[in-house]
Amino acid sequence: QQQVKQSPQSLIVQKGGISIINCAYENTAFDYFPWYQQFPGKGPALLIAIRPDVSEKKEGRFTISFNKSAKQFSLHIMDSQPGDSATYFCAASIRTDKLIFGTGTRLQVFP
Amino acid sequence: DGGITQSPKYLFRKEGQNVTLSCEQNLNHDAMYWYRQDPGQGLRLIYYSQIVNDFQKGDIAEGYSVSREKKESFPLTVTSAQKNPTAFYLCASSTRTGRLTFGAGSRLTVL
Repeated sequence: QQQVKQSPQSLIVQKGGISIINCAYENTAFDYFPWYQQFPGKGPALLIAIRPDVSEKKEGRFTISFNKSAKQFSLHIMDSQPGDSATYFCAASIRTDKLIFGTGTRLQVFP
Repeated sequence: DGGITQSPKYLFRKEGQNVTLSCEQNLNHDAMYWYRQDPGQGLRLIYYSQIVNDFQKGDIAEGYSVSREKKESFPLTVTSAQKNPTAFYLCASSTRTGRLTFGAGSRLTVL
């Protein structure tokens, strides 16, 4: 019940395309859903986050879509750029408790 | 600038040796965390501390130890009991809202 399942494990997208990464959870008590971006050899950095009272949040080219009934949330990267090539992690937590991370998606954007 | 400093960036250990990874933050965050990252396995929680002089085991605490004598510092010791210590170790701290800030990581290799 504490797991967050992330897919796909890797993703190859052409420059200008849309990258979509999906996550699913079981614990309906989760109320905070962040996405982290990690470049090789660096620590992850918070990209965007959502709480379950909204169905979508957009920041620039990055959008989180949240489906409470399906217990799923996804990250959409519009107009993907080579500089977006990184590993992306979804996560979930209950209030300010420790985050449960997905297994990560390695995104490669080719010019 | 506020942030998290991890040291050393690279560390080599002979079998049977204990090693200590340093983590210092100047963000005035109460909570601090240690994660282990292995390829394809995401971020797994080793230990966390929500207040000075108190800490809790995470999902993979065996073979590791921590201390939290100061708010700013949360060192991790990888003991000889950890059978497969080669990994990328990430320290993080969080605000009351649960937003995690990560350090740049320490890569430990067992020779």
